[in-house]
Amino acid sequence: AQSVAQPEDQVNVAEGNPLTVKCTYSVSGNPYLFWYVQYPNRGLQFLLKYITGDNLVKGSYGFEAEFNKSQTSFHLKKPSALVSDSALYFCAVRDGGNTPLVFGKGTRLSVIA
Amino acid sequence: EAGVTQFPSHSVIEKGQTVTLRCDPISGHDNLYWYRRVMGKEIKFLLHFVKESKQDESGMPNNRFLAERTGGTYSTLKVQPAELEDSGVYFCASSRTGSSPAFFGQGTRLTVV
Repeated sequence: AQSVAQPEDQVNVAEGNPLTVKCTYSVSGNPYLFWYVQYPNRGLQFLLKYITGDNLVKGSYGFEAEFNKSQTSFHLKKPSALVSDSALYFCAVRDGGNTPLVFGKGTRLSVIA
Repeated sequence: EAGVTQFPSHSVIEKGQTVTLRCDPISGHDNLYWYRRVMGKEIKFLLHFVKESKQDESGMPNNRFLAERTGGTYSTLKVQPAELEDSGVYFCASSRTGSSPAFFGQGTRLTVV
């Protein structure tokens, strides 16, 4: 069965600094990997995905993530954090197509001005 | 294009009562998912519809939960009778295909008292 681990409950970063939100996964087949963000009082918003191809994928709002097969990781990154990036971030994996998404517990990102 | 909409946004009911949550997916999305997040825990899969058929209902916690998607459009999730542990945020998501990103609604916050 697939699983996702987000080892940090909270990440704090100063505005303008690079940010990383960590995610590792476990699947039996080929992973389909996703990042979602939840702003206060809002639903989950799709940020980016990795299905196949380049290991570095770019998504919305300047975010990117790097797929690392040997380390089974899919960390979310941004070169320069904004205060408006403060939100709850969820990593999710699907074991191939047409299977349910499995989510991590979420990481709360706080960007401090 | 309208997003996924859920109704109501909040519901407070007493233990033993019945509640029905509604989800309107993005038009043209055959795949519809229900998820639940209990406070501070992972977002857990409940079930997956493809059009009007239940593709996977392995995440449904027990027979107090009934989901329908008549006509393959909107879906309802009924909890009857509600228990305290059913409290949480219920998310609905839809996707065009089984492997494309799922787009989420804003969620229904259910509180059972």
